[in-house]
Amino acid sequence: AQKVTQAQTEISVVEKEDVTLDCVYETRDTTYYLFWYKQPPSGELVFLIRRNSFDEQNEISGRYSWNFQKSTSSFNFTITASQVVDSAVYFCALSEAGYSTLTFGKGTMLLVSP
Amino acid sequence: DAGVTQSPTHLIKTRGQQVTLRCSPKSGHDTVSWYQQALGQGPQFIFQYYEEEERQRGNFPDRFSGHQFPNYSSELNVNALLLGDSALYLCASSFESSGRAWETQYFGPGTRLLVL
Repeated sequence: AQKVTQAQTEISVVEKEDVTLDCVYETRDTTYYLFWYKQPPSGELVFLIRRNSFDEQNEISGRYSWNFQKSTSSFNFTITASQVVDSAVYFCALSEAGYSTLTFGKGTMLLVSP
Repeated sequence: DAGVTQSPTHLIKTRGQQVTLRCSPKSGHDTVSWYQQALGQGPQFIFQYYEEEERQRGNFPDRFSGHQFPNYSSELNVNALLLGDSALYLCASSFESSGRAWETQYFGPGTRLLVL
């Protein structure tokens, strides 16, 4: 069975601080896909990034970066120079090959104060 | 390019009643998945519809049923509502007919259901 663990329930930072959100996953498959979604107070889940299990190359997109390490089954997400608009709940999710359905972690609430 | 839409946005029901939630997928998408998100939790997969058939199902009782129409829109029905069914119900769409092994799911704004 697959499982996603986000050990941090809530993180509070001051604007312009860097913050890293942790995600650890479990799966028996060798081919799988990892995702990060953002959920602002409005409730809609916004897709941020996807990664497949064969691509361990880290990625940077503006202030966002992702660190995928198969050796530790982790897919961490870093926001550089955080802003108040980054305040939201962030979810890490996993899907297995052949299926697009997602297994989510419990989410990490990020609060960025001015 | 219209995104995923859901209706209604909010709903209040009493125990034992039945409810129907609706979802229109993102333009060009052919697959709809439904998730239940309890307060403070991550979304949990209910079921997925592709080509008007239920293709996958999560660990939810038969009180939860669905339908997909020829235009790819979908309904989620919940019978004999329980207090524990109170949650945000999210619909996600994807394009499965691409033939690729997987596709990213895009979510709608959800329907907040309160059961009293």
